[in-house]
Parts: sequence; structure tokens; C-alpha cells
Amino acid sequence: DTEVTQTPKHLVMGMTNKKSLKCEQHMGHRAMYWYKQKAKKPPELMFVYSYEKLSINESVPSRFSPECPNSSLLNLHLHALQPEDSALYLCASSRPGTGRYEQYFGPGTRLTVT
Amino acid sequence: AQTVTQSQPEMSVQEAETVTLSCTYDTSESDYYLFWYKQPPSRQMILVIRQEAYKQQNATENRFSVNFQKAAKSFSLKISDSQLGDAAMYFCAYRSAVPGTYKYIFGTGTRLKVLA
Repeated sequence: DTEVTQTPKHLVMGMTNKKSLKCEQHMGHRAMYWYKQKAKKPPELMFVYSYEKLSINESVPSRFSPECPNSSLLNLHLHALQPEDSALYLCASSRPGTGRYEQYFGPGTRLTVT
Repeated sequence: AQTVTQSQPEMSVQEAETVTLSCTYDTSESDYYLFWYKQPPSRQMILVIRQEAYKQQNATENRFSVNFQKAAKSFSLKISDSQLGDAAMYFCAYRSAVPGTYKYIFGTGTRLKVLA
């Protein structure tokens, strides 16, 4: 099983809403990532969790709040977003330490902030 | 800091022909990993091919192969017998092999069009 799942696939939210994105993998990967991707651009790293601890925060605004409840699950809590936050949000995972360093990506959540 | 450069924003290839996508990178490290990822329109990003810097032999995966030139810091992707399903954005990516490093550095991408 080399699948990373993300829900929801699409999300429309107002600037005052609170919503969450969910990511799940059952590959035993201990590193999980959140990326933001604008159209025709490369993914921009937001957060990295390794062994359920936040390892990297790329100076992301506090209106984005990540959470890693366990080794298989990654959430991104959204609050008071801006229209410029509209993008494709990708989750990825990798298995560090074994030599196989490729990332596996989920299909993404397309977020529209109105 | 490492950087990855893809100098071709867009490429076109005729179906069944061969195309090469360019990628150069800059690093002071001797051990690292390089990747090519494919992202079809509105579809999931998937790994195409991986190269370990300590391996001299170029990686191949079916119709996909790389030309890895470590001294020149070049990592190009060759797609042979191009198919319509190869149309996608292709991203070159770098990752350090230093333990505890989790960050991937992506290039800006090359959009590949396959002409029937």
C-alpha cells in the first residue's frame, strides 16, 4: 500500500470559518509534510512532522495550525484565512532512515477562500 | 543552501518521440538524492525516478532514464517513446542525505505537452 489519502477533496470556506484538512497514510512512514501549491508552481513546504514532532515550520502564518495525533494521521487546522490562501494543499509522507527517501503525495485538497 | 533550477518552463514532443528535460542543482554536499516527479493536470504527484548521488550508474525506469552528471551538477530526464499520458508538469527535486534532514528542494517545473 503506497497510498496517502486526503480529505476533503474540495473545500470552500469563508474568511471567518474554521475548518480542518486531514491526511492519512498506512505505510509506516514517520515523516509527514504539508505543502501549499499554486497553479503551475512547485509545492511550497509549510510544515514537517517527524516521529509525530514538528520538525520544520516554514514561517507559516498562525492561521494555519498543524497537528499530528499519531504516526498515520496529519491534520491542518484552518482559521481566519485570506483569499490568497486559496490553493491546492498537498500532504506527503516519507520513510526517513532506510535509504528510500522519496516522498509519496496525496491527491490534495483544493481550497477556496471566499 | 541548495537550489534546483529547471530552465525549460515548457516543452513539446511528438507522440512516440524522445524528449529530454533539464535540471541543474547547486549544493556543497557530496551525498544526496535527486528525484523527478510528475504531476498530470488535476491529478496526483507521483515519483518518476530516483537517483542516489553515490551511484555512478544512471537510473532507469522503463521509458524513463536520467543522465546524472555529478561534477556538472546536472540531472536530466529522458522520456523515450513519448505517450499522451506523459503530458504533465515535471518537477526535479533534491534532498540531502544528512540524517535528520527532511526538506525537499523543488525546481520550478517543466510543463510537457505531447502532440498526437
